[in-house]
Amino acid sequence: EIQLVESGGGLVQPGGSLRLSCAASGFTFSSYSMNWVRQAPGKGLEWVAYISGSTSKMHYADSVKGRFIISRDNRGNSVYLQMNSLRDEDTAVYYCASGMRQAPGAFDIWGQGTKVIVSS
Amino acid sequence: EIVLTQSPATLSLSPGERASLSCRASQSITNYLAWYQQRPGQAPRLLLYDASNRATGIPARFSGSGSGTDFTLTISSLEPEDFAVYYCQLRSNWPPYTFGQGTKLEIK
Repeated sequence: EIQLVESGGGLVQPGGSLRLSCAASGFTFSSYSMNWVRQAPGKGLEWVAYISGSTSKMHYADSVKGRFIISRDNRGNSVYLQMNSLRDEDTAVYYCASGMRQAPGAFDIWGQGTKVIVSS
Repeated sequence: EIVLTQSPATLSLSPGERASLSCRASQSITNYLAWYQQRPGQAPRLLLYDASNRATGIPARFSGSGSGTDFTLTISSLEPEDFAVYYCQLRSNWPPYTFGQGTKLEIK
């Protein structure tokens, strides 16, 4: 079964750090770009970060650039999001999502999401 | 930065009716547009990519059209499970991957 499973969310104080993980199964992980997308409570979707399949090129939304780091382990079929200097506005459900091979910016596989709450 | 604007914000229709949702880009994006459906408490689901190509397993009642700056998602005959929030997205080959603000399709 093709699936993505996120973990690592939780409650963290402003200025703190958190590392999210996303485990992939059922497909050739290294062949696909991966992304993190977040959704603040009651709000829309916001793309956060991208990492390419094998060359490990990374891109970030301006809102997280310099604070978040995306990485991947192709042997372990996992992608990560290291979140530093967290702010109240980073509170959201974080989804990992894979890009289609024929249309990399279209996300055809999504995890169930992991909730991050930044609060004192 | 390209901005995607969806309209209307909320659309109230009855099952069996036809729905048309709009997405307008601030500059031409050729056909680099994707549409997603998100039901309450669930992750988004890809419906269409490259404006009009249905993703795997998506029913034929979902169709997309448009190019350049104006795009439309059409649901030909609404089923009860179609009432959800719909997002358009710039799906260019490189980030950033901007989303529209969403259209809520609710039961009238």
